[in-house]
Amino acid sequence: KAGVTQTPRYLIKTRGQQVTLSCSPISGHRSVSWYQQTPGQGLQFLFEYFSETQRNKGNFPGRFSGRQFSNSRSEMNVSTLELGDSALYLCASAWDRGKYEQYFGPGTRLTVT
Amino acid sequence: AQRVTQPEKLLSVFKGAPVELKCNYSYSGSPELFWYVQYSRQRLQLLLRHISRESIKGFTADLNKGETSFHLKKPFAQEEDSAMYYCALGFTGGGNKLTFGTGTQLKVEL
Repeated sequence: KAGVTQTPRYLIKTRGQQVTLSCSPISGHRSVSWYQQTPGQGLQFLFEYFSETQRNKGNFPGRFSGRQFSNSRSEMNVSTLELGDSALYLCASAWDRGKYEQYFGPGTRLTVT
Repeated sequence: AQRVTQPEKLLSVFKGAPVELKCNYSYSGSPELFWYVQYSRQRLQLLLRHISRESIKGFTADLNKGETSFHLKKPFAQEEDSAMYYCALGFTGGGNKLTFGTGTQLKVEL
């Protein structure tokens, strides 16, 4: 079956702009989680969505937001971009919440100039 | 708060030598521990989790609650084991939220 897909794969934005990243989970998976990966901080949890509801949120400012649609696809939005938002953004999907294997996408590389 | 510590950024071993990647966690409740691996140019993928107690690609990991550790071990390293390894912590009631360690780059030399 097709894996988790993320679009776009690469993105260059300017400080102050906003950006929307998209994640399509594996068919049948209802949980989507987002992570930010940077050389300095490593992999950090952003948020988790399940059945169109945010179930968990990490320690990120309100500029980071997300949503999930009825087909389980998810988007995350970052407003008023800062240089420090440059990172690889990963999403992961799982069939359900809890002790289920999570499958990661290839990531979206965001560069803020 | 949850925390995962992987003390080694880089671990270099010779082919056929034993491997041990260290992972310590901090969590007061009942933890769920995972090892994820990322091979060159590939996605992050689950290697194993403590609740399944299985051996994957010759790797095993035992949860030691007394020492709050979940070290990854393999008796004989293979060249194809070279990759980035991440230890991750989940917890009951936390859904799919994972706290990751900073990762250990394993390099298996011939």
